[in-house]
Amino acid sequence: EDKVVQSPLSLVVHEGDTVTLNCSYEVTNFRSLLWYKQEKKAPTFLFMLTSSGIEKKSGRLSSILDKKELSSILNITATQTGDSAIYLCAVDPTSGSRLTFGEGTQLTVNP
Amino acid sequence: NAGVTQTPKFQVLKTGQSMTLQCAQDMNHNSMYWYRQDPGMGLRLIYYSASEGTTDKGEVPNGYNVSRLNKREFSLRLESAAPSQTSVYFCASSRGLQETQYFGPGTRLLVL
Repeated sequence: EDKVVQSPLSLVVHEGDTVTLNCSYEVTNFRSLLWYKQEKKAPTFLFMLTSSGIEKKSGRLSSILDKKELSSILNITATQTGDSAIYLCAVDPTSGSRLTFGEGTQLTVNP
Repeated sequence: NAGVTQTPKFQVLKTGQSMTLQCAQDMNHNSMYWYRQDPGMGLRLIYYSASEGTTDKGEVPNGYNVSRLNKREFSLRLESAAPSQTSVYFCASSRGLQETQYFGPGTRLLVL
């Protein structure tokens, strides 16, 4: 059975801090890993990672995949209160047709 | 483009009542999905439709039925609601299976 584990489950930081969120997975025939940000509404897409070692960046957010370690990290630098959200990691296996989601990391950024 | 839309946004049902959650997308996507999200459990797939005319069970299909009405619309039906179905329901769509999924705003359902 495919499995995605995120850590930590929750994190409280101050504005300006840098955070690293972790995602590890066990899937048969890995195809891609996706990160989503969920505020008080639906998840919104952040990154899709398919190749190991290649960093994806968008502003203060960046993510990298390590296929050898079966994991990915999401970094947020110079955090802002608007970064407060649940960050979801999902894995897409080639053998299946659907994403498997982790529980998410609840990030709270205090002013 | 509105993207993925869902109705209603919020619904309260009594145990045993039935209702249909509606989902539509205007991105010309082939694949559509229904998820439920519960605290501590992440998103779980209920049903999905790879393309118009096909539907398949996901991880937690019991108690639900779906209809892919056309390429745009994918509805989720609860025939006899139970308190265990209290949840937030998300519809999503993607260009094809194994492509990035885009989510609707969600429907919050409370079953008393």
